[in-house]
Order: sequence, then C-alpha cells, then structure tokens
Amino acid sequence: AQKVTQAQTEISVVEKEDVTLDCVYETRDTTYYLFWYKQPPSGELVFLIRRNSFDEQNEISGRYSWNFQKSTSSFNFTITASQVVDSAVYFCALSEPATSGTYKYIFGTGTRLKVLA
Amino acid sequence: GAVVSQHPSWVICKSGTSVKIECRSLDFQATTMFWYRQFPKQSLMLMATSNEGSKATYEQGVEKDKFLINHASLTLSTLTVTSAHPEDSSFYICSARHNSGALINTQYFGPGTRLTVL
Repeated sequence: AQKVTQAQTEISVVEKEDVTLDCVYETRDTTYYLFWYKQPPSGELVFLIRRNSFDEQNEISGRYSWNFQKSTSSFNFTITASQVVDSAVYFCALSEPATSGTYKYIFGTGTRLKVLA
Repeated sequence: GAVVSQHPSWVICKSGTSVKIECRSLDFQATTMFWYRQFPKQSLMLMATSNEGSKATYEQGVEKDKFLINHASLTLSTLTVTSAHPEDSSFYICSARHNSGALINTQYFGPGTRLTVL
C-alpha cells in the first residue's frame, strides 16, 4: 500500500538553528514522484520541490535542501539557519502515476514547524 | 507561473443553502483538478478528482449528490456544496495539475475557501 509518514508532529527551534523534517514513504511502484509543500498560517499550500523516482540527486535552493534516499525510502527536508517566516506546516506527498492514473497525491500528516525569535 | 485562484476565500451561509466555490488555473491549462477538505490541524483529505469534460471521480465516503463538481473548461472547476449543514463547515482547497513542461504532474493549490455553515 502507498503511504507517507511524517513522524514529527511538531518541531520548535530557535531562529538560526538548522532543522530537518523527515518524510518516509511506501510504494510498490518503480515510477513515482515526491513533493514538499509549505502551508503558512494563511492556508495556501506553496509548492517547494518535486523529485521523480529516477533522480536521486540531492537539491539545494537557498536555505532549503532535500535529501532523497531510495534505499531508506526517505525524502528529508532541511532548512538551514531557520527564520521566523519559516514557521508553517510542511507536507510531504507521494504521487504514483501507474496506480492512481490521475497522479493524485498521498499526503503525510504534516509537520508543524515553529521558529522562535 | 502556475497560479491557481479560488473564490470566494470565505463564505458564511445558513443551513440548507447551497454554496458554489470556483477554482481557476490562471496561467496554465489543467485537464485535471482536485478538491480537498482540511479540518483544523489535520492533513488534506482528497474529496474528488475533477476531469475536464467528464464526470468527477469521488473518493470513498464522499457524497456525490452533496458535493457537485463541474469541470467545464480547461481552466475552471466548481464545487457546489448543496443543502449545506454545520458539519460541512471546513476549509476547502482545490488544486490544478500541470500538464506540461518540467513540472508536469505537479499540483498547484488555490488559497482555499473557508466555509462556515450556521
């Protein structure tokens, strides 16, 4: 069965600390996509990154970086030098074209990040 | 690019009335849009998949006659909550699936609609 697990329900850090949000997924498909979204208090989900199953390269975008490891079925997200504006709920999602046909998402339960000034 | 709008952003209505929520992809065409519901401090729950020119596909447990979905064009999908009741109060979010380019099959989300039924 397909599943996305975000074991960290809530994390609090002090500004400028680094923080890693964990995402573990389960799938039987060999072709799939993984995503991260940010949901600030306003409610709108903001797209952060997409990774397909054949691309295990890690990615860095400013203070954000992602570590994709198929061997452990993980797609972890690190924020370096966190800022108060990073406070939000972060969702990891899995999409399996072969299974769903419509590329619908399976979401994790989200991790609420609080960055304290 | 990849902007999705949703209207209204919030609505308050009386029990028994119907409410229509619009979801538009502003700068790309979307043959597939999705409707989600989110309860406070919870994840998104997929309600239905909206396909342009055909009937929506509803997730198990979602009443088709209660939540009417229409996807009349490649940029517009609507969700109508019929005969709304207080238990329908929630945050409704739509998304549009990008069909082309480097981010094909990525969903872009609207800002959400907060529905309160009195």
